[in-house]
Amino acid sequence: DAGVTQSPTHLIKTRGQQVTLRCSPKSGHDTVSWYQQALGQGPQFIFQYYEEEERQRGNFPDRFSGHQFPNYSSELNVNALLLGDSALYLCASSSWGTSGGEEQFFGPGTRLTVL
Amino acid sequence: AQTVTQSQPEMSVQEAETVTLSCTYDTSESDYYLFWYKQPPSRQMILVIRQEAYKQQNATENRFSVNFQKAAKSFSLKISDSQLGDAAMYFCAISGGGADGLTFGKGTHLIIQP
Repeated sequence: DAGVTQSPTHLIKTRGQQVTLRCSPKSGHDTVSWYQQALGQGPQFIFQYYEEEERQRGNFPDRFSGHQFPNYSSELNVNALLLGDSALYLCASSSWGTSGGEEQFFGPGTRLTVL
Repeated sequence: AQTVTQSQPEMSVQEAETVTLSCTYDTSESDYYLFWYKQPPSRQMILVIRQEAYKQQNATENRFSVNFQKAAKSFSLKISDSQLGDAAMYFCAISGGGADGLTFGKGTHLIIQP
């Protein structure tokens, strides 16, 4: 059973560029969440997708957008990259629930460096 | 808004001994969940243990257990019989209000001395 997969593993971009990160959820999961983890910090919640809609969003600007496909995979897009966007981007999948307590399974992350 | 505070940036313990990692939180939700996640050097975050706030009984998972003090908003993790494979960053996290987005603390780096 494949777990959560993310691509690419590493990515280098320059300021002002746009980037797309990809995530495939664990088999049986229908919900995908994205997190940004700066060096030496805990992950910060960006947003969550379920049924191809953004269901919850953290405190991130509109430069961060996402998409979920019918097969539950997801993309994270970041426009107009800033140096401060350099971080490890984590994708997590879970089964949709309304309690807020569902276990999230994390992928290995994509390391984004903005020069 | 929910906040999580981990006051120990780094902890060190001898192999086979017991260590406790501290976590305090703040939330306005009456129904919430608390988690401890482990992030080894390979980066993949792994759930260690989960506690539902409405349950008074402390959660346990083999060598891992929590001390959940709801009134004090404290959620510490105890690791018994520490093993070399326990070395990692440990993050305390909270979710609640019917929403799954996790709020994490800054983490505690656990070192296991052989």
